[in-house]
Amino acid sequence: DIQMTQSPSSLSASEGNRVTITCRASQSIGSYLNWYQQKPGKAPKLLIYAASSLQGGVPPRFSGSGSGTDFTLSITNLHREDFATYYCQQSYSTPSYTFGQGTKLEIK
Amino acid sequence: EVQLLESGGGLVQPGGSLRLSCAASGFTFSSYAMSWVRQAPGKGLEWVSGINSGGGGTYYADSVKGRFTISRDNSKNTLYLQMNSLRAEDTAVYYCAKASYSSGCHLFDYWGQGTLVTVSS
Repeated sequence: DIQMTQSPSSLSASEGNRVTITCRASQSIGSYLNWYQQKPGKAPKLLIYAASSLQGGVPPRFSGSGSGTDFTLSITNLHREDFATYYCQQSYSTPSYTFGQGTKLEIK
Repeated sequence: EVQLLESGGGLVQPGGSLRLSCAASGFTFSSYAMSWVRQAPGKGLEWVSGINSGGGGTYYADSVKGRFTISRDNSKNTLYLQMNSLRAEDTAVYYCAKASYSSGCHLFDYWGQGTLVTVSS
């Protein structure tokens, strides 16, 4: 099974800051990597698919990059509503999808 | 507007059974694969099971294989998850998710609000 490891597990930042979250796959997954945002008590929301494509309606301050085993999610100019937990998910080994353990972004 | 509405969660004893349903609307249900994803309290997301658009292909995580059965009724726009031999570690919020495919990548573009399953004596 492909394992997905996110770092850091949590981080704190201030509104207006830029943050980067990393996701590493245990083997090469090409660009088959998605990012989701989840707020407390809510369902996950798709942000980025295929490593770098922005889902419709998602603000352009969110961006994704990477391929192979190393991927990043960047958020520039943090807004209050961006404080949430973020998950990466590989879709290389379909249909056995695996998620990273999550990164909780908190307000400093 | 795409809507996914799960139901059927609740409290069940270890070894018991439960059937979850997910009523879909706002898209052509029969054209899309669907999945169930769960989240244990305070934990991350775990893909549980998936089914192709026609229902002929079903897939399971090792943790539920042989105990859970996914199915769908395209005439009723409804997805199901039959859960048998439930264990304490199956306690979680269960989400149904619509699968899609873009830029060569499989993704979950819509999710339900989730239904809580608690396995406890």
